[in-house]
Amino acid sequence: DQQVKQNSPSLSVQEGRISILNCDYTNSMFDYFLWYKKYPAEGPTFLISISSIKDKNEDGRFTVFLNKSAKHLSLHIVPSQPGDSAVYFCAATTSGTYKYIFGTGTRLKVLA
Amino acid sequence: DTAVSQTPKYLVTQMGNDKSIKCEQNLGHDTMYWYKQDSKKFLKIMFSYNNKELIINETVPNRFSPKSPDKAHLNLHINSLELGDSAVYFCASSAKLQRDWEQFFGPGTRLTVL
Repeated sequence: DQQVKQNSPSLSVQEGRISILNCDYTNSMFDYFLWYKKYPAEGPTFLISISSIKDKNEDGRFTVFLNKSAKHLSLHIVPSQPGDSAVYFCAATTSGTYKYIFGTGTRLKVLA
Repeated sequence: DTAVSQTPKYLVTQMGNDKSIKCEQNLGHDTMYWYKQDSKKFLKIMFSYNNKELIINETVPNRFSPKSPDKAHLNLHINSLELGDSAVYFCASSAKLQRDWEQFFGPGTRLTVL
């Protein structure tokens, strides 16, 4: 039972345009959501997070939106740059459980 | 300055052998984790330790035994290796007081069982 799903395995975007990566979850107990970026042969690195008490969090070119009623979150990257090409994982957790559930990742390719 | 380090980076071994993967973090975090990323790229939590105490064990076979000698180290020992154990294993650490629930990952150990 995959509680966190990223239904798009890959996405290609032109440099300078917006990249939108989507993530759906099923467990209503999740109250904190994170996005990680992963380059080949490296571990995931934290990108941005959002608490369930918010519906938007912004950090530079990265914005995460949370729609709790739809159990959906998205990561927007504007403008996209070639260096953003990587696999993006969304993850969810319930505060205090120390348990993170990861999606299967979306491979983003930003074309120069 | 490597925040979370793992050794070895690559491990190739025969079925039935016993092997260990070491993990160290120099971030002063109190919680450490082991994850397994299989061939389908699922990143799945295996174990979580908080202040050297096991707090999560996610239906992992008994052949896998984590050991935390101190808060900075969480090693993974695997007995009687099987073909299905081939995967990339990631160690991670976190501290509640730092950027709320953010985890720092090591570079991964690619284990290949022949």
